[in-house]
Amino acid sequence: SQQGEEDPQALSIQEGENATMNCSYKTSINNLQWYRQNSGRGLVHLILIRSNEREKHSGRLRVTLDTSKKSSSLLITASRAADTASYFCATDAVKLTFGTGTRLTIIP
Amino acid sequence: DTEVTQTPKHLVMGMTNKKSLKCEQHMGHRAMYWYKQKAKKPPELMFVYSYEKLSINESVPSRFSPECPNSSLLNLHLHALQPEDSALYLCASSQDIFGRRQGNSGNTIYFGEGSWLTVV
Repeated sequence: SQQGEEDPQALSIQEGENATMNCSYKTSINNLQWYRQNSGRGLVHLILIRSNEREKHSGRLRVTLDTSKKSSSLLITASRAADTASYFCATDAVKLTFGTGTRLTIIP
Repeated sequence: DTEVTQTPKHLVMGMTNKKSLKCEQHMGHRAMYWYKQKAKKPPELMFVYSYEKLSINESVPSRFSPECPNSSLLNLHLHALQPEDSALYLCASSQDIFGRRQGNSGNTIYFGEGSWLTVV
């Protein structure tokens, strides 16, 4: 069963706008990771945030982690058409377990 | 570009066939994984290999048989599959398995592009 639930399940925004996706999980974690998957392709690792970190940046990506609420968010700023993909959070303990995913569509 | 290579990209097989999916990585990773992904669902873990030994089997039916011939290769042997086994099969690797590393050192998993399997 999935460890994480993501919200929203689907999101459509105009190019240039910011996109925010949220992830909630159930048990204690060591780290939380975000992955992107283009349709029918493999998963690409985006960013890893450790359980003792609260925020992390990578280019146009900003990830926050609140371990007290067991939640994380991924913000993509200045979205581009190429950002259209599914985004998954994944938590690791004994194994990497993926959330349900958010399907992001960027409208040119 | 992924450094995990999977072949074939597409496979159509009958329910009585025997086929294999292959995966290769040259990053020196000691953990390798098979995931199964159905349409519009997240990947689900099937098997984990650590140092060429099976570490985790997520109660996968015996018609799926993994094999790790060496530290760079991972195979998934398929026999007597059912149509509901049609899915995207993803291979992945990481430096080490989760749980072995101490503290918050992190462990990124690198995925291949996947093999699309259709069982007819």
